[in-house]
Amino acid sequence: GIQVEQSPPDLILQEGANSTLRCNFSDSVNNLQWFHQNPWGQLINLFYIPSGTKQNGRLSATTVATERYSLLYISSSQTTDSGVYFCAVERGNYGGSQGNLIFGKGTKLSVKP
Amino acid sequence: DTEVTQTPKHLVMGMTNKKSLKCEQHMGHRAMYWYKQKAKKPPELMFVYSYEKLSINESVPSRFSPECPNSSLLNLHLHALQPEDSALYLCASSQDEGITYGYTFGSGTRLTVV
Repeated sequence: GIQVEQSPPDLILQEGANSTLRCNFSDSVNNLQWFHQNPWGQLINLFYIPSGTKQNGRLSATTVATERYSLLYISSSQTTDSGVYFCAVERGNYGGSQGNLIFGKGTKLSVKP
Repeated sequence: DTEVTQTPKHLVMGMTNKKSLKCEQHMGHRAMYWYKQKAKKPPELMFVYSYEKLSINESVPSRFSPECPNSSLLNLHLHALQPEDSALYLCASSQDEGITYGYTFGSGTRLTVV
């Protein structure tokens, strides 16, 4: 099956710093999403980005589908950005069915005041 | 309404109990999913209901039983669970196979089996 690798596994930042999180995937995909899981467990959808670049406030993401990677940029980090960031992919129409969103192991981000 | 609502938020149950988790969405999505997330691990797919057809991850034990009463509701019935089933159970939905618009997740039910 498809493999999803995220780096770094852990990241500690001082408030105000910028960071880049990376997601590599082993096969072509039809769906790629970045999620933020807060300390209470809620998975918040940040970006639906199977290709191209999107921006939302201090966050932006770029997926280069031909090279099988995606990047999540966090600028001017805040303590509320702490949590685990997951990249998840889906091939779509896989074996005639869908719905198997494959998650990477995540990047645990801690932003210190 | 752009949310997936899960109830209860927390559940403690004994190994002989029967309980149900509930999930609801009013976004008109035609596919709904149950994911299981153990501590410090990523979520893993358990079940898919797409256009009222069930697909199962064959590694999921039969003590977990999904039910889809209609296209807006998804239940997960629990019976004779084991302590290792303690986890965060996440429900998600997507409009059309997740490819066009992606998945929306609920806030989860944190289950403890004693």
